[in-house]
Amino acid sequence: DARVTQTPRHKVTEMGQEVTMRCQPILGHNTVFWYRQTMMQGLELLAYFRNRAPLDDSGMPKDRFSAEMPDATLATLKIQPSEPRDSAVYFCASGLVNEQFFGPGTRLTVL
Amino acid sequence: GENVEQHPSTLSVQEGDSAVIKCTYSDSASNYFPWYKQELGKGPQLIIDIRSNVGEKKDQRIAVTLNKTAKHFSLHITETQPEDSAVYFCAANSLGGNTPLVFGKGTRLSVIA
Repeated sequence: DARVTQTPRHKVTEMGQEVTMRCQPILGHNTVFWYRQTMMQGLELLAYFRNRAPLDDSGMPKDRFSAEMPDATLATLKIQPSEPRDSAVYFCASGLVNEQFFGPGTRLTVL
Repeated sequence: GENVEQHPSTLSVQEGDSAVIKCTYSDSASNYFPWYKQELGKGPQLIIDIRSNVGEKKDQRIAVTLNKTAKHFSLHITETQPEDSAVYFCAANSLGGNTPLVFGKGTRLSVIA
């Protein structure tokens, strides 16, 4: 049963600390998305990659967020320095044609 | 860009009744409309989708209808069961292919046994 995996599932950190979230997309999927979910804003796109190349990161605060795909099996989202307003659930999704399949998410709390 | 509106935000139905959730979109170029179900503590799960060349699609107890002229689409769940209780999201894709989805704000469905 192929699925997207994300680590860690939960992260509590203090303001100013660096946070790294990892995602393993479904094998064979060439597009990877990072979304953020909050009560106020709902699900919003942060960035996405196709064949490991970044296509759009306009949803990310560039001064503190960065997203990379070191290889086809790993996508990372980094926040440095983290702020309380970054508290949210971060989802990775992968897809091939139209369908997008979501991972279980990383719940981030910044104190 | 695309904007997706979803109604209602909450919906309570008796077990066995039907539930209908409606969405409207703004970009006439949108051509892919998926629905996701999100249970507590989990990621959104794709349950059904429809493309612009089709007006209706069914999968057992769930169905989706699309009206491109009016730019709205709906999710229909028949014979609801307690396990259908979750948050449902509609989404639209305005760029074609595997590109980012724009989501509605979600509908919290409660099925009362």
